[in-house]
Amino acid sequence: AQKITQTQPGMFVQEKEAVTLDCTYDTSDPSYGLFWYKQPSSGEMIFLIYQGSYDQQNATEGRYSLNFQKARKSANLVISASQLGDSAMYFCAMSGGTASKLTFGTGTRLQVTL
Amino acid sequence: GAVVSQHPSWVICKSGTSVKIECRSLDFQATTMFWYRQFPKQSLMLMATSNEGSKATYEQGVEKDKFLINHASLTLSTLTVTSAHPEDSSFYICSARGQGVRTQYFGPGTRLTVL
Repeated sequence: AQKITQTQPGMFVQEKEAVTLDCTYDTSDPSYGLFWYKQPSSGEMIFLIYQGSYDQQNATEGRYSLNFQKARKSANLVISASQLGDSAMYFCAMSGGTASKLTFGTGTRLQVTL
Repeated sequence: GAVVSQHPSWVICKSGTSVKIECRSLDFQATTMFWYRQFPKQSLMLMATSNEGSKATYEQGVEKDKFLINHASLTLSTLTVTSAHPEDSSFYICSARGQGVRTQYFGPGTRLTVL
């Protein structure tokens, strides 16, 4: 079974600062993928970044980077230069093995302040 | 690219009626589509996985006769909530995944309210 844990129900960050959202996972599959999605108040789920378990480099997409530490089974999302529009719910998720379905964490609500 | 639409975005219906929600992949072929349900301030709960041309696979505890899923083409899947009741009120969101791709792209969701 796969499990995703997000221990931060809520986070505050000042505009233009960087913030790290924590995510740990548990799986017995040797091959898996890790994802981060953003869900603003409108409800849509916006794909941010993906990291494969065999990827040697940490994934980056613009202001988003994924700090992948395989031995610690963590996949933290780093948002640099936070903007007011980054205020949203952020979900960490994983897929693994032959299963294509995603297992989601409970989410972290990020609030960017002036 | 990778745009998924969902229709309607919100619907209000009377108890006992059926409601159909459409999910379309607009710029790619979705070999697999997923249907989720989300309660307020909670995470997404997977209801079922559907592959084009075959029957959907439902998660444990999801009534297949109540939540009918059809994935008749590579760009369209539908979820029909049959004989809806107030406890079915929720946010339903679909996602789609292309062949050989791991990332799921989500639709904007449908807010269902059953009176």
